[in-house]
Amino acid sequence: QKEVEQDPGPLSVPEGAIVSLNCTYSNSAFQYFMWYRQYSRKGPELLMYTYSSGNKEDGRFTAQVDKSSKYISLFIRDSQPSDSATYLCAMTPFGAGGGNKLTFGTGTQLKVEL
Amino acid sequence: EAQVTQNPRYLITVTGKKLTVTCSQNMNHEYMSWYRQDPGLGLRQIYYSMNVEVTDKGDVPEGYKVSRKEKRNFPLILESPSPNQTSLYFCASSVDTGNQPQHFGDGTRLSIL
Repeated sequence: QKEVEQDPGPLSVPEGAIVSLNCTYSNSAFQYFMWYRQYSRKGPELLMYTYSSGNKEDGRFTAQVDKSSKYISLFIRDSQPSDSATYLCAMTPFGAGGGNKLTFGTGTQLKVEL
Repeated sequence: EAQVTQNPRYLITVTGKKLTVTCSQNMNHEYMSWYRQDPGLGLRQIYYSMNVEVTDKGDVPEGYKVSRKEKRNFPLILESPSPNQTSLYFCASSVDTGNQPQHFGDGTRLSIL
């Protein structure tokens, strides 16, 4: 069993929809949770970064962590075609900085259609 | 502009022919790392380096070598490439402590025939 599970999709939604992307994990030591966005032919870029349980909002994006259920989510409101990308969750027992090994999900491919 | 630069971006080569993928960062980051990305397996760390002359194995180091002679450069070396090393490779860098995230390059797609 993988430490981090993520539905690969693809997920196709109409423009303006609310998108929910999720990951589950098995390692209870994970405390820092990240969402990366990866456009085609590009490297991952950090989108959201949260510590422990709770919610964090940044514009149209909300990251949610439920440590009791070992479940994290990324919500995208008013989705746009420019949100079409692969979304990777990542987590670590320590901070996101160098030297702290990140464990990634396999990524969910999202397509937002006009 | 802060960036991590990888070269080449694409390479098709044959089994056994030594190759090097270069990685350079202009952010004075101490930490650098190499990942490979495969369908269904996600990003897996190959090697990492906490600073000059300090390198260590990640999750999948077999068949790879790295060196860190200068802070800005972290080349990935495949001494005798094999088809199972066909993959998309990413270099990343960050400061070595705290919660500053890793910055990724745009990737190198390697095909080993």
